[in-house]
Amino acid sequence: RKEVEQDPGPFNVPEGATVAFNCTYSNSASQSFFWYRQDCRKEPKLLMSVYSSGNEDGRFTAQLNRASQYISLLIRDSKLSDSATYLCVVSHAGNNRKLIWGLGTSLGVNP
Amino acid sequence: NAGVTQTPKFRVLKTGQSMTLLCAQDMNHEYMYWYRQDPGMGLRLIHYSVGEGTTAKGEVPDGYNVSRLKKQNFLLGLESAAPSQTSVYFCASNDNYEQYFGPGTRLTVT
Repeated sequence: RKEVEQDPGPFNVPEGATVAFNCTYSNSASQSFFWYRQDCRKEPKLLMSVYSSGNEDGRFTAQLNRASQYISLLIRDSKLSDSATYLCVVSHAGNNRKLIWGLGTSLGVNP
Repeated sequence: NAGVTQTPKFRVLKTGQSMTLLCAQDMNHEYMYWYRQDPGMGLRLIHYSVGEGTTAKGEVPDGYNVSRLKKQNFLLGLESAAPSQTSVYFCASNDNYEQYFGPGTRLTVT
């Protein structure tokens, strides 16, 4: 079982839809949490960090549930440009800044 | 500010050939990483470095060597390429937890 698990999708939604992704992690020592975005044949880029209190950046909201060990990403009012793979990432304290990567969830936004 | 750059962008090797992939970063980051990404496998850490002159093994180090002689450069070597090393290779660097990636090298071993 992988340490970080995501539903691979694909999720196909129409423009303007709201879509949510969940991710679970198995190591209770995980301390830092992130969502990265990867466009087809490109490098991953940080979308947002995930804080215990939750955080919002425009149309994107990330939440963390430590008790249940899951992280969520909500995208409101989806745009065509949101089509990408979304990677859930965690890190442990004192782990030489190494990140543990989920396999990603593929999102397609259709006109 | 170029960020993280990788050379070459594409390469085709024959089995048994050797090559070196170069990663350079201009952000003065201490930590650097080499990953490979394959369909259905996600990003897997090959080797990493926590500072100039240091290297350490990641999740899938076999068949690869690395060197970090200068802080800004991290080299990944394949001594005797195998078809199983066909992949997309990404280099990344960071000081905190946000990792910045290079554009990748697409390597095919025939």
